[in-house]
Amino acid sequence: SQELEQSPQSLIVQEGKNLTINCTSSKTLYGLYWYKQKYGEGLIFLMMLQKGGEEKSHEKITAKLDEKKQQSSLHITASQPSHAGIYLCGADRVSGNTPLVFGKGTRLSVIA
Amino acid sequence: SQTIHQWPATLVQPVGSPLSLECTVEGTSNPNLYWYRQAAGRGLQLLFYSVGIGQISSEVPQNLSASRPQDRQFILSSKKLLLSDSGFYLCAWSRQGYEQYFGPGTRLTVT
Repeated sequence: SQELEQSPQSLIVQEGKNLTINCTSSKTLYGLYWYKQKYGEGLIFLMMLQKGGEEKSHEKITAKLDEKKQQSSLHITASQPSHAGIYLCGADRVSGNTPLVFGKGTRLSVIA
Repeated sequence: SQTIHQWPATLVQPVGSPLSLECTVEGTSNPNLYWYRQAAGRGLQLLFYSVGIGQISSEVPQNLSASRPQDRQFILSSKKLLLSDSGFYLCAWSRQGYEQYFGPGTRLTVT
């Protein structure tokens, strides 16, 4: 079965600093999804990547899927307290419409 | 626009009691529906998913069950709760081949 490993598990950064979160899959990624979750709340969809080498941005958050389609990175530029939360990557199990498998998440704290 | 509702938001139930969590989606038809459980240190675990009325696929049979009595309604149930059922339950929906959108969740504490 496919597994997603996220690193780091937790991250504390100073406001204004850049950071990167990685998501590595044990199998080829057909679709890779990034979500953000605040404690005690549902997941908020950030972006989806499908093609090797694809890169998408939303405000100060950029995600990229590597050419071999087994790893994705999420990069936040000039972090702000509003970026704090848990970031989860999810992946299609096989090509097409099936439930996602998720990583365990990366907990991000941004300190002033 | 589409919205997804879950209730209750929080629930405290004794061991051995029944459970019923409800999820409804508005603004779309024939969605795929999902139930996940999020427990501390264990990430997001898929429990059930449904691609249509009456069609339920189970990932974790145990003592939980799911039903989809209407197109946009998904119910998670248990006849007798266990301590290990405590967690944060999330419902999600998606269109065929697209990203999933999650509800606000229900925090269940079994005492």
